[in-house]
Amino acid sequence: SQQGEEDPQALSIQEGENATMNCSYKTSINNLQWYRQNSGRGLVHLILIRSNEREKHSGRLRVTLDTSKKSSSLLITASRAADTASYFCANYGQNFVFGPGTRLSVLP
Amino acid sequence: DAGVIQSPRHEVTEMGQEVTLRCKPISGHDYLFWYRQTMMRGLELLIYFNNNVPIDDSGMPEDRFSAKMPNASFSTLKIQPSEPRDSAVYFCASSPGHSYEQYFGPGTRLTVT
Repeated sequence: SQQGEEDPQALSIQEGENATMNCSYKTSINNLQWYRQNSGRGLVHLILIRSNEREKHSGRLRVTLDTSKKSSSLLITASRAADTASYFCANYGQNFVFGPGTRLSVLP
Repeated sequence: DAGVIQSPRHEVTEMGQEVTLRCKPISGHDYLFWYRQTMMRGLELLIYFNNNVPIDDSGMPEDRFSAKMPNASFSTLKIQPSEPRDSAVYFCASSPGHSYEQYFGPGTRLTVT
């Protein structure tokens, strides 16, 4: 199956804490992207990491990629209540396969 | 730019009826994608176009589903006849390139009774 897997499926933290979400695939990863989806909305692109990159930063976001383990992680530092959303990874190398997502709840 | 525009935002129809979902991509984007999102199956790619040409429709569930892109600024996803299991949120997205970020529309929530 090309379907990605994300863990945890749900994560609840306090405001100010860091949140880490993981994503893995059974097939090779090529150009992995992370998206956020607020309830009832479309997905919003967060960050792209290419297969020749190991780490990428964007503001409070840090993404790592391990192609040998076919996995990626998204770290959100100093979380805010506004970060409450579902987060998805997408493997563009396998025809845009999205993972099932991690539901993040940041409690004020 | 107004972003990706989808219509209608909500559609309620009876089983057996034809449903047409519409999408206007961001101007200048060469790629257009149709996705379906359900709680059970997550986000699934149905079909995508490059320069108005369908590239991969392997995600289209069955012959009841069809998609067209008659020009660079308009695409439709049609379900005929619709069934209750087609109930889902359907997203359209566009992108300036194959491995570039995708810009999603607000989605169409389809309910088939």
